[in-house]
Amino acid sequence: GIQVEQSPPDLILQEGANSTLRCNFSDSVNNLQWFHQNPWGQLINLFYIPSGTKQNGRLSATTVATERYSLLYISSSQTTDSGVYFCAAWGGADGLTFGKGTHLIIQP
Amino acid sequence: SAVISQKPSRDICQRGTSLTIQCQVDSQVTMMFWYRQQPGQSLTLIATANQGSEATYESGFVIDKFPISRPNLTFSTLTVSNMSPEDSSIYLCSVLTGGEAFFGQGTRLTVV
Repeated sequence: GIQVEQSPPDLILQEGANSTLRCNFSDSVNNLQWFHQNPWGQLINLFYIPSGTKQNGRLSATTVATERYSLLYISSSQTTDSGVYFCAAWGGADGLTFGKGTHLIIQP
Repeated sequence: SAVISQKPSRDICQRGTSLTIQCQVDSQVTMMFWYRQQPGQSLTLIATANQGSEATYESGFVIDKFPISRPNLTFSTLTVSNMSPEDSSIYLCSVLTGGEAFFGQGTRLTVV
């Protein structure tokens, strides 16, 4: 099955800083998504981005499918951005494969 | 998109008992997925549930421990049977709509 690797595993930043999270995947995918998990465990859909670039406010994402990686950019970080960010890929009919996540802490 | 109602949102259960988690989707979907997230870990797929057929379980998960029902195209249940403290996790259901995955709010289970 597909392998998904995320980096860095942990990231501590000051409020207002920018950050880039990376996701590498091992094979071609039908679906690539970024999620933010809040402290209550709920997964928030950030981007559905099997290829190309999307932006939503301070967040943007780029997937280069031919090189099998995706990047999530967070600009002007706020403390509410803290949490775990997951990348997940789907190659077929057997559900999403998740990376181990990036644990982001934004300090005031 | 899809809106998924999952319940209960959390529970504390005695070891040896069973808990059934319900997921209701606001539209008809072919496949529903159940995931487990152990403390501090990522999400792992338990099984895929298709309406009218047996669920397909991933390696390390068995039907006797995690029986799944899928009576129609908008509803599914996952039962965690004969629980032990190692079953303490967040359990999430998910659907794919238009190629994009959507998740329920999750069930935070603590086994004591």
